[in-house]
Amino acid sequence: DAGVTQSPTHLIKTRGQHVTLRCSPISGHKSVSWYQQVLGQGPQFIFQYYEKEERGRGNFPDRFSARQFPNYSSELNVNALLLGDSALYLCASSPMGQGALNEQFFGPGTRLTVL
Amino acid sequence: EDQVTQSPEALRLQEGESSSLNCSYTVSGLRGLFWYRQDPGKGPEFLFTLYSAGEEKEKERLKATLTKKESFLHITAPKPEDSATYLCAVQVSGGYQKVTFGIGTKLQVIP
Repeated sequence: DAGVTQSPTHLIKTRGQHVTLRCSPISGHKSVSWYQQVLGQGPQFIFQYYEKEERGRGNFPDRFSARQFPNYSSELNVNALLLGDSALYLCASSPMGQGALNEQFFGPGTRLTVL
Repeated sequence: EDQVTQSPEALRLQEGESSSLNCSYTVSGLRGLFWYRQDPGKGPEFLFTLYSAGEEKEKERLKATLTKKESFLHITAPKPEDSATYLCAVQVSGGYQKVTFGIGTKLQVIP
């Protein structure tokens, strides 16, 4: 079975630009979460979507937004890029239902570099 | 605020030298604790879920244990291929299923 897939693998942008990152969850998984991982740190929670609705938001500015589609794939959008947005962006999917344990399976990540 | 602290930040072992990694947590109510392995430039790989104090899980040379305040990842007779960053994460009870990660322990096993 295919795992979580993310695209693109790598991306280079300049300050002020916009970026869209994409994620396809494991088949049957209805929850998708997004994380930002800066070098040397653990993943920081950005968003969680379940059944196409936002279920959680981390401490990130409004420049960050996301959505989940009917097929449960997801997009993360970042506007007005800053140098500090350079990081590995991770998508994780989970089969969880409401109140369930959130055992997550991660994709390979998208490496974003902002120049 | 939920906090996860991992120690040491880095650990260097000789091949075959057993050791333990620590994850201490301060949360309002623990729903579950997770261990992940992460290789450089890749996404975390799920290892274990622990639900309650006293629980233990094993996989090859790895054994994870849980108490009310901390978890340990024991590595028995490690091999160079066990070199990676090991991440601990917690999910709290109630609300949405937010997961908070620690900074990780970077393990290097030398032949």
